[in-house]
Amino acid sequence: ILNVEQSPQSLHVQEGDSTNFTCSFPSSNFYALHWYRWETAKSPEALFVMTLNGDEKKKGRISATLNTKEGYSYLYIKGSQPEDSATYLCAFGGNAGNMLTFGGGTRLMVKP
Amino acid sequence: DTGVSQNPRHKITKRGQNVTFRCDPISEHNRLYWYRQTLGQGPEFLTYFQNEAQLEKSRLLSDRFSAERPKGSFSTLEIQRTEQGDSAMYLCASSLTSAGGTEAFFGQGTRLTVV
Repeated sequence: ILNVEQSPQSLHVQEGDSTNFTCSFPSSNFYALHWYRWETAKSPEALFVMTLNGDEKKKGRISATLNTKEGYSYLYIKGSQPEDSATYLCAFGGNAGNMLTFGGGTRLMVKP
Repeated sequence: DTGVSQNPRHKITKRGQNVTFRCDPISEHNRLYWYRQTLGQGPEFLTYFQNEAQLEKSRLLSDRFSAERPKGSFSTLEIQRTEQGDSAMYLCASSLTSAGGTEAFFGQGTRLTVV
């Protein structure tokens, strides 16, 4: 059973604060690491798919880094806005199979 | 094509009844996945199809669960003799190739409540 863990489980921040979350995953048989944002009553939406050690990706105020050797990824949100409130999921794609193994998610709430 | 569509969005059923959910993937996607998500947990893989072939099933998928993807288009997930423990959000996703390395597109899910 693959162990993908996310921390913290939940986070409350004020509008304008910058924040970051952690995803840890197996460092062996790595193929890709996905980040998704899941807003209430909507579909999970892909933010990033990262495959290379040292990868850094950015989309607007959100960025992510990847360390496959030690098995972790960070997601950063700069200047959080209320619309960033969502659950952020990371998912490990291993080369042994075709499915994604998800972490438990980090629930972010941004107060105006 | 506006994305992955799932029906119904919500289903309340009595214990012991059978339920069936439908997923319409993005039309050109040959991979289709079913996941289940319970409160406070991340989505758990159930099964996936490449075209019409069901290639992998999780040990979570008991004999009461069956999934089909006739003609490699839409898919159905049936749960027979539902139990309260089946209450969850059932998510469908599709992708062009292996979801290990390419983006998977999710539907909004079907929330099942077994009473």
